[in-house]
Amino acid sequence: GENVEQHPSTLSVQEGDSAVIKCTYSDSASNYFPWYKQELGKRPQLIIDIRSNVGEKKDQRIAVTLNKTAKHFSLHITETQPEDSAVYFCAANEDSNYQLIWGAGTKLIIKP
Amino acid sequence: EPEVTQTPSHQVTQMGQEVILRCVPISNHLYFYWYRQILGQKVEFLVSFYNNEISEKSEIFDDQFSVERPDGSNFTLKIRSTKLEDSAMYFCASSVQRNSPLHFGNGTRLTVT
Repeated sequence: GENVEQHPSTLSVQEGDSAVIKCTYSDSASNYFPWYKQELGKRPQLIIDIRSNVGEKKDQRIAVTLNKTAKHFSLHITETQPEDSAVYFCAANEDSNYQLIWGAGTKLIIKP
Repeated sequence: EPEVTQTPSHQVTQMGQEVILRCVPISNHLYFYWYRQILGQKVEFLVSFYNNEISEKSEIFDDQFSVERPDGSNFTLKIRSTKLEDSAMYFCASSVQRNSPLHFGNGTRLTVT
């Protein structure tokens, strides 16, 4: 079955700098890759997702890149702000499955 | 914006007791899910539900667990004979389609003592 690895487990960046979180997946059939942000004590919320028919997607300060050959995808946050501090989860799935396989999460800390 | 609602927000129960966690998915969504998150850990899939039946379940979702859609709006998770290790945050989620964005409720924190 699918396995998703996420790195780093903790990332501390200076406010205004960029943050990059990386994930790898094992199942080449996976074709849907969402990213969720979870603030402390709150529910996960989708921030961006990408499907395997594109290599990059951007939404304001957030972008996701996908390399199908290498089976990895990354989240890029530019001009980080204090409100970006949270745990970020990547996930992967393919059309024949219902269950989303999640990475272990990255705690992003934005230093003022 | 419509939201997934869950009740109760916090449930404390004694080991061996049964609990029912309740969820109201977004009304036009067709796919419903339960996920579990032990404190500080990753989100774990329990079960998905579509067309009034379980469509997929994980190894965690054993005979101790069951789900039901008793009417047109509610979606419940029943945990029988709770164990200490069932203590976690349980999230309900719904989506319009399979492999489309999940909308999560605020969760029910279950504490088994």
